[in-house]
Amino acid sequence: GNSVTQMEGPVTLSEEAFLTINCTYTATGYPSLFWYVQYPGEGLQLLLKATKADDKGSNKGFEATYRKETTSFHLEKGSVQVSDSAVYFCALDQGAQKLVFGQGTRLTINP
Amino acid sequence: DTGVSQDPRHKITKRGQNVTFRCDPISEHNRLYWYRQTLGQGPEFLTYFQNEAQLEKSRLLSDRFSAERPKGSFSTLEIQRTEQGDSAMYLCASSLALMGGRDEQFFGPGTRLTVL
Repeated sequence: GNSVTQMEGPVTLSEEAFLTINCTYTATGYPSLFWYVQYPGEGLQLLLKATKADDKGSNKGFEATYRKETTSFHLEKGSVQVSDSAVYFCALDQGAQKLVFGQGTRLTINP
Repeated sequence: DTGVSQDPRHKITKRGQNVTFRCDPISEHNRLYWYRQTLGQGPEFLTYFQNEAQLEKSRLLSDRFSAERPKGSFSTLEIQRTEQGDSAMYLCASSLALMGGRDEQFFGPGTRLTVL
């Protein structure tokens, strides 16, 4: 079946550091891929998405590129801020927008 | 507030009791989803509706679980004879699904269920 695997957390970085959170997937066909973010005390929010191979999703300085050849959708940001501290979830659409999520990666940014 | 709302936000119950949760989607959205999230894991799909029709149920949704969306507006998720393993965060999401479109799902804050 379809599945998503994220790098183990938690991840702790200093402000202005470079961030990478790895995400790989297993799926039939070419699903849409997403990154969702959950800030403390809030609901899940869509951060970015990509709908086909080689697409790059971007938002708030975050980027992720849909890599079909490596079945990956790694999240990157060049310079993180304290306000980026949250839990990040990689997800795929297995049809009719039914999402399959990874286990989440907790990110803490220290000033 | 025009986002997805869920009620209650927290529910503590004793094993064997029945519980019901409510989700109010964004008003013009035709699709509504239920997910379950246990501690340290990502959300898992349970079921979804297009308007009032329940189109799919996950194998995770045992016979003790039932969901409805009368009139295609709000939805309820009922768990009968709760078990400790039902303790989780229950998330609702809604979206506007257009022909061939893949619109964004908007999530509610969730209902945290604790079964003692």
